Amino acid sequence: GEDVEQSLFLSVREGDSSVINCTYTDSSSTYLYWYKQEPGAGLQLLTYIFSNMDMKQDQRLTVLLNKKDKHLSLRIADTQTGDSAIYFCAEFAPTGGGNKLTFGTGTQLKVEL
Amino acid sequence: KAGVTQTPRYLIKTRGQQVTLSCSPISGHRSVSWYQQTPGQGLQFLFEYFSETQRNKGNFPGRFSGRQFSNSRSEMNVSTLELGDSALYLCASSPDSWNTEAFFGQGTRLTVV
Repeated sequence: GEDVEQSLFLSVREGDSSVINCTYTDSSSTYLYWYKQEPGAGLQLLTYIFSNMDMKQDQRLTVLLNKKDKHLSLRIADTQTGDSAIYFCAEFAPTGGGNKLTFGTGTQLKVEL
Repeated sequence: KAGVTQTPRYLIKTRGQQVTLSCSPISGHRSVSWYQQTPGQGLQFLFEYFSETQRNKGNFPGRFSGRQFSNSRSEMNVSTLELGDSALYLCASSPDSWNTEAFFGQGTRLTVV
């Protein structure tokens, strides 16, 4: 079955690192994604990781994947006020050849001065 | 390169009416997926089209339908609108049959009164 879970809120101080966690259940997931959503906006693709990778780094973003525990995390270094948003993790698992993303509930990140 | 374009951005409809939303994917992308976002249910998959064929469908009633044209543009239709259909409807565009990169539009905010 498919189920993706995230904690609902995270508050950090500007300049600190933020770590947003996600757990998923579908062991056949091939790609895992992180999206950012600002108020009134659509989803912005931040990064994604293929399931045979353990880590991916992209500027201030580091994605860690523990496939054994089905745990995904997104670390944002030097968090800025502009990073305040809702962050969604999503998994893609092949279902008869079609594309379907299963999203987590989203984590609201609040960056305080 | 233009992104994913959804029109209209905002809609207000009355219960019982029907509505059509439009999505133009990124040029060259052939897969278009639709998602519904509500505060209570989060992001839920509606359906996916690839080369004018529906390949995948979520758990929504038959009032929700869609289609894709030869230029990959997609429309989604909701008939006999209910108050609970009020949501942000998001469209995602992917290059091919695997969701390596799924880019979202800004969404259409539908309010049913």
